[in-house]
Amino acid sequence: GQQVMQIPQYQHVQEGEDFTTYCNSSTTLSNIQWYKQRPGGHPVFLIQLVKSGEVKKQKRLTFQFGEAKKNSSLHITATQTTDVGTYFCAASGSARQLTFGSGTQLTVLP
Amino acid sequence: DAGVIQSPRHEVTEMGQEVTLRCKPISGHNSLFWYRQTMMRGLELLIYFNNNVPIDDSGMPEDRFSAKMPNASFSTLKIQPSEPRDSAVYFCASSPGQGNTEAFFGQGTRLTVV
Repeated sequence: GQQVMQIPQYQHVQEGEDFTTYCNSSTTLSNIQWYKQRPGGHPVFLIQLVKSGEVKKQKRLTFQFGEAKKNSSLHITATQTTDVGTYFCAASGSARQLTFGSGTQLTVLP
Repeated sequence: DAGVIQSPRHEVTEMGQEVTLRCKPISGHNSLFWYRQTMMRGLELLIYFNNNVPIDDSGMPEDRFSAKMPNASFSTLKIQPSEPRDSAVYFCASSPGQGNTEAFFGQGTRLTVV
């Protein structure tokens, strides 16, 4: 399947600080998806990016797809305790299988 | 729609026993994925079905693991014999298209092999 590397593995922030997680691939991606998994829960779809250089926003979350379609980022502005969880990027392989990055576990300190 | 339904939610079994995990995908979805999640290895794709046909099973760790999808509304993941290192959370997910569309996850089955 498509290999995507995700960094950082862990991130602790003070409530109100910003947070960014990055996803990188050595090959061009047809699209990239982002998911959030709350502690004890299951991954929940956030968004899909398809176009080169695409930027999408969901309230305090900003998603970017690189110009070369080899990297992507998720940025959260002014984190809140409700943002706690693990954020995954996921990419489609040649057979359309969906493989996930290693995830970034976000802790927000009140 | 009730979403993707997995059973059981929790399973504790002894080493050597057979374990069967079940999944009912969302009606109308063409793709079904089985994932295994552990602290060490993260979220691993085990097998991917499209229109009930296994497309990619390269993630299945060993011959002890097998998966079937006899029809569009049901899939099983079987481990025989189970080993302690199989302990993990197993997720089933379905998607209306293939891997390039949103995947909907079930609640997962937490498997403990003692």
